Amino acid sequence: KAGVTQTPRYLIKTRGQQVTLSCSPISGHRSVSWYQQTPGQGLQFLFEYFSETQRNKGNFPGRFSGRQFSNSRSEMNVSTLELGDSALYLCASSLANQGDIYGYTFGSGTRLTVV
Amino acid sequence: KQEVTQIPAALSVPEGENLVLNCSFTDSAIYNLQWFRQDPGKGLTSLLLIQSSQREQTSGRLNASLDKSSGRSTLYIAASQPGDSATYLCAVLNYGGATNKLIFGTGTLLAVQP
Repeated sequence: KAGVTQTPRYLIKTRGQQVTLSCSPISGHRSVSWYQQTPGQGLQFLFEYFSETQRNKGNFPGRFSGRQFSNSRSEMNVSTLELGDSALYLCASSLANQGDIYGYTFGSGTRLTVV
Repeated sequence: KQEVTQIPAALSVPEGENLVLNCSFTDSAIYNLQWFRQDPGKGLTSLLLIQSSQREQTSGRLNASLDKSSGRSTLYIAASQPGDSATYLCAVLNYGGATNKLIFGTGTLLAVQP
């Protein structure tokens, strides 16, 4: 069974541009979460979607947004990119409503470099 | 506010040694605790998931324990191999309201020397 698929794997963007990252969860999983990983801050929660609704958002500026489609695929968008947005962006999916029984499965991530 | 700490930050051991990684958390109101492995530049691979009602879980050479009352978990790796070299992360899932997010520790970088 296919895992969590994130595309693209690598991105290089220029400051001020915007970027869209994609995540396809494991088939049947309806919860998708996004995390940012940087050397200085570690892994930080961005947002979580369930059945096309954003249920929770982390402490990030409004430049970070996301959405979930009816097939549970999710996208996150970062507008007006800053150098500090360079990070590994990880997507996780879960079968259960809250991930409390089955845990979370992560994708391989998208490495974003802002120059 | 939940805080998760992992000790040590880095560990180097010779091949074949048994080792223990530690994870502590400040708020015991958790659904579960999950241990992950991360290879350089890669995503997270789930190793073990311990529900709040459980005391331990085992998978192959790995054994994870959970003591919710003291806010501690340990990951025991038996007979370590060079292929075990990676960063190990623990994460807790808190309950309360609509919070469905993992709180991660800072990780332990493990190097197993052949």
